[in-house]
Amino acid sequence: QSALTQPASLSGSPGQSITISCTGTSSDFAYNLVSWYQQYPGKAPRLIISDVTKRPPGVSDRFSGSKSGNTASLTISGLHPEDEADYYCSSYKDNTILYVFGSGTKVTVL
Amino acid sequence: EVQLVESGGGLVQPGGSLRLSCAASGFTFSSRAMNWVRQSPGKGLEWVSIISSSGGRTYHAASVTGRFTISRDNSKNTLYLQMNSLRVEDTAVYYCACEVTVGRAFDIWGQGTMLTVSS
Repeated sequence: QSALTQPASLSGSPGQSITISCTGTSSDFAYNLVSWYQQYPGKAPRLIISDVTKRPPGVSDRFSGSKSGNTASLTISGLHPEDEADYYCSSYKDNTILYVFGSGTKVTVL
Repeated sequence: EVQLVESGGGLVQPGGSLRLSCAASGFTFSSRAMNWVRQSPGKGLEWVSIISSSGGRTYHAASVTGRFTISRDNSKNTLYLQMNSLRVEDTAVYYCACEVTVGRAFDIWGQGTMLTVSS
């Protein structure tokens, strides 16, 4: 299955906000079940957003999710140095393909 | 402590077979759907397989259908991935991941186990 499209890289200075886009087709987002994961090098991914906008316990409120049409977005407000990581979106598609991930975005904090 | 620990990775020749295991602890394993997700070196994440909490339903990505089989033993709190007819492109870190109780996302991940398929 084709991956969802994310920008390969984004950067920002501490305190700035950045938004990572995740673009697919209407079938990719038919169930409105989009999640986002943060991954540090050599580590397992960590869930930071589920169901488009929900933050699991312990996740900073600087992370927020949204969706409009065929594009989901993750906004990191007030960048911290520890936000430097790879970020992946994911969507539950249907009963055949199940899950599809985005291509990943490397976030650099300048 | 909630934990998933994968094992069984290694070096296999093309066409070979291997079984990965994932031991769960710290949560009610038998009530959660489980998945395998892989990541090729320097690449993104790819969903591989899912199994329902009872083990009665399984689904696999098209790239592994017919070659990989996901299973579980709830009495042992362990998830498995039997991989046959391995290809070079199956080389990846394989993560087991637990699906959230409500919704569709993965809230518990293992540390991953590396599979290298090479002659």
